[in-house]
Formats: sequence, structure tokens, C-alpha cells
Amino acid sequence: AQKITQTQPGMFVQEKEAVTLDCTYDTSDPSYGLFWYKQPSSGEMIFLIYQGSYDQQNATEGRYSLNFQKARKSANLVISASQLGDSAMYFCAMREDPYNQGGKLIFGQGTELSVKP
Amino acid sequence: DTGVSQDPRHKITKRGQNVTFRCDPISEHNRLYWYRQTLGQGPEFLTYFQNEAQLEKSRLLSDRFSAERPKGSFSTLEIQRTEQGDSAMYLCASSLTGAYGYTFGSGTRLTVV
Repeated sequence: AQKITQTQPGMFVQEKEAVTLDCTYDTSDPSYGLFWYKQPSSGEMIFLIYQGSYDQQNATEGRYSLNFQKARKSANLVISASQLGDSAMYFCAMREDPYNQGGKLIFGQGTELSVKP
Repeated sequence: DTGVSQDPRHKITKRGQNVTFRCDPISEHNRLYWYRQTLGQGPEFLTYFQNEAQLEKSRLLSDRFSAERPKGSFSTLEIQRTEQGDSAMYLCASSLTGAYGYTFGSGTRLTVV
């Protein structure tokens, strides 16, 4: 069965420093997609970054990059130059082959990031 | 299009009452998903529609839960005979077949007292 594991319930980082949020996944499907979402206290899920299982390069979106290690089944999120506004819950999620599985997302338990001034 | 909208944002109800939530997806998105998120946890998949057809339901979706998407546009999620364990955030998301992106609504927070 598909599973996403985030082992860091909470993380602290100093403003302007980089931070890595861990995510490991388990799937038997060769085709899948990995997502990271940010959820501030207001509740909405904000898309950050996506990595497809066949993508050769690690995804980057501005200050966000995804450290994709396929053999280790890990997809860690790296946030560079942390800002106070980055304080939120962060969720890693996976979708198996959308053409066969309907495209639903499986989420991890989340990591609460706190950025210190 | 202003994104996925959910109504109401908050709902407080007494145990045993029925509640209904509404989700309006992005108009060109043919897929619509419902998730439930309890405090401190990640969202859990409940059900999804492709156009008006409900294609998958999670085992989490007990007989007290029903979802519809008439005409493939907005969707409603009804919970009958609410229980305290139903207290959660109910999130709706929409997507387009073949595209990797999902757009989430701001959710409906249900409190059963």
C-alpha cells in the first residue's frame, strides 16, 4: 500500500537559514508524483513543488527545492533563506499513476515549521 | 475564476444533526476530491468524482456520509446523525485529468458538540 512518512513533527529554523524537511514514501507503482504543500493556520493548502517519478532533475520553485532520491524513496523539501512567513505545517503527498488510480493524494502526517527571528 | 470555494467556512452542530457542505471547484476542472483532516494530522482521502460520476470512496466514508456532484459542477458532502468524531476540517480539491496540479479550497471546519 502507498504510504508517506514524515518523521519530524516539529522543526525550528533561524530566519534566513536553510531548512530540510524529511519525507519518505512507499509505493510499488513505477509511475507516481510527489508533492509538497504548505498549510498556514488559516487552513488552506498551498502547493509548493512537484516531482514526477521519471523526472531526471530535482524540482525547484524559487526558494523551494526537492531533494529526490529515488533509490532511497525519499523526497525531502529544502527551503532556502527562511522567512517568518514560512512558519506553517508542511505536508508531503504522493499520487500514483493518475490514469489508473484516479489521482487521489496520500498525505504524510506533516511537519510544523517555526521560523525564529 | 477565483479558485475552489467551500461553504460554510465553519459549522457548529449538535450531535445527531445532519450537516451539508458545498464545494465549487474551478470551472474547467473535471475531477473533484473530498478530504478530511483532524487536528495535527494530514488530510485523509474520502471520495472523488470525475465529472458527475463518483469513482472511488474510502473505507473512512461510513454509511452516514454521502457525496454528490450533480451535473459535474459543484459537489455536496452530507453527514447524517453527526458524531463527535466527525469534528474535523473537510477539504475539497479539484484537478484536471492529465495535469499534475490540484487546487484546494480553504475547507469547512466542523465542530460537533
